[in-house]
Amino acid sequence: EPEVTQTPSHQVTQMGQEVILRCVPISNHLYFYWYRQILGQKVEFLVSFYNNEISEKSEIFDDQFSVERPDGSNFTLKIRSTKLEDSAMYFCASLADRNYGYTFGSGTRLTVV
Amino acid sequence: AQSVTQPDIHITVSEGASLELRCNYSYGATPYLFWYVQSPGQGLQLLLKYFSGDTLVQGIKGFEAEFKRSQSSFNLRKPSVHWSDAAEYFCAVGLYNFNKFYFGSGTKLNVKP
Repeated sequence: EPEVTQTPSHQVTQMGQEVILRCVPISNHLYFYWYRQILGQKVEFLVSFYNNEISEKSEIFDDQFSVERPDGSNFTLKIRSTKLEDSAMYFCASLADRNYGYTFGSGTRLTVV
Repeated sequence: AQSVTQPDIHITVSEGASLELRCNYSYGATPYLFWYVQSPGQGLQLLLKYFSGDTLVQGIKGFEAEFKRSQSSFNLRKPSVHWSDAAEYFCAVGLYNFNKFYFGSGTKLNVKP
């Protein structure tokens, strides 16, 4: 069964550093998303991406965040200057069309120290 | 505003007993409804979804859910729980444009031997 692949599975970074979280969505999917889950809390929407541009973003997705689909296969989330409160599990998801649910990746656990 | 409520934070059932996890949503139109399961440290796996048609939907691992428009509910059920079902379960609502999902806060299921 096709999978959404996320790397790395766990990343530790110092506060103020830039991080890039990588995702390889399912190849024929058209819609891409990032969500995050702070430990013990609900899954929160960050951003959706379609046709090479952001469709919608949440209040969380401020100027420190950016997304890119540089080569038609990878979908990245960049955090420019990490804060302690950015520590969370970050999930990438992709969607083919409305007949299917999202397929989520297994997540990247980001720890900011 | 759209919202998803899972009123039970923790549920404990005995192995072999039946299970019902509650989900209520608030949305102006009929949403797309999903249940996801998350094992510790893992990603989100789609159990089942409802878009239209038969209000009783079958999913993987023996789960089913029933959409009740009058109650704005989409409760997840399983007739006989197995120890491997211990996990956290998330109800999610998707909007018509699929720009984002709203997740409930999750229900942690413990299974007693």
